[in-house]
Amino acid sequence: GENVEQHPSTLSVQEGDSAVIKCTYSDSASNYFPWYKQELGKRPQLIIDIRSNVGEKKDQRIAVTLNKTAKHFSLHITETQPEDSAVYFCAAPGDSSYKLIFGSGTRLLVRP
Amino acid sequence: NAGVTQTPKFRVLKTGQSMTLLCAQDMNHEYMYWYRQDPGMGLRLIHYSVGEGTTAKGEVPDGYNVSRLKKQNFLLGLESAAPSQTSVYFCASRGPVTGLGAKTPGNTIYFGEGSWLTVV
Repeated sequence: GENVEQHPSTLSVQEGDSAVIKCTYSDSASNYFPWYKQELGKRPQLIIDIRSNVGEKKDQRIAVTLNKTAKHFSLHITETQPEDSAVYFCAAPGDSSYKLIFGSGTRLLVRP
Repeated sequence: NAGVTQTPKFRVLKTGQSMTLLCAQDMNHEYMYWYRQDPGMGLRLIHYSVGEGTTAKGEVPDGYNVSRLKKQNFLLGLESAAPSQTSVYFCASRGPVTGLGAKTPGNTIYFGEGSWLTVV
C-alpha cells in the first residue's frame, strides 16, 4: 500500500539552531523523494529532492538523507532563519510512479 | 508563461450544489493532479491524469469526478457538495523526463495557487 508518515507535526527552534524532519515510506520500490515548503496562504514549492541512487544531497543550508534499508528519509535545515518558518511536506511515489503521495506536514517555527 | 492556473480562487457553496474547478497549465505537461489540503492532514490526492483523455483515482476520490478532454486542462467536479468537502484544492502538473527514451514522469510537481472552497 501507499503510506508516507511524517514527524514531528510541529517543530519550534531558536534561530541559528538546526531542524530535522523525518519521513517513512512503505513502498520499497519508491525511488524519488522530494521536499516541499509551503508558506502561509501560498502554494507548496519544491525545495530539494533526492533519488534512490544517492544517500545524501545538499543545497546550501538544506540537506536530505535517505536510508533505503529502513525506508526513511530526512530533511535537515542548518542555521535556521525566521524566513524558514513554514509548513514542510515530504513525498514519495505511490503504487504508480506517476503519483506523488505527501506526508501530513511539519509546521516549523523559527524563533528570533 | 503562467504555469498552473486555477479558477475560481474562492467559492462558497450550499450543501447539494454542484460546481467545477478548472485547472489550466501552459507547460505542455503530460501529468496533472488534484489534491485537497485540510489542517493536519497534508495534501491528499483526489484524482490524477497521465495524459489527455485519461483519469485515475487517488487516495480520496469519493464525491469527485474529473475530466481531461484537453491536454492543458484538468477539471474537478463536485456533483453534490457536502460540508466535508470544505477544503483548499490544489491542482498540479508534472512533465516527463526528456531524453531517456521512455515516458518517465519528471520530478518536479508544479502547483497552482489553490482554490478555497467552503460548503455550508
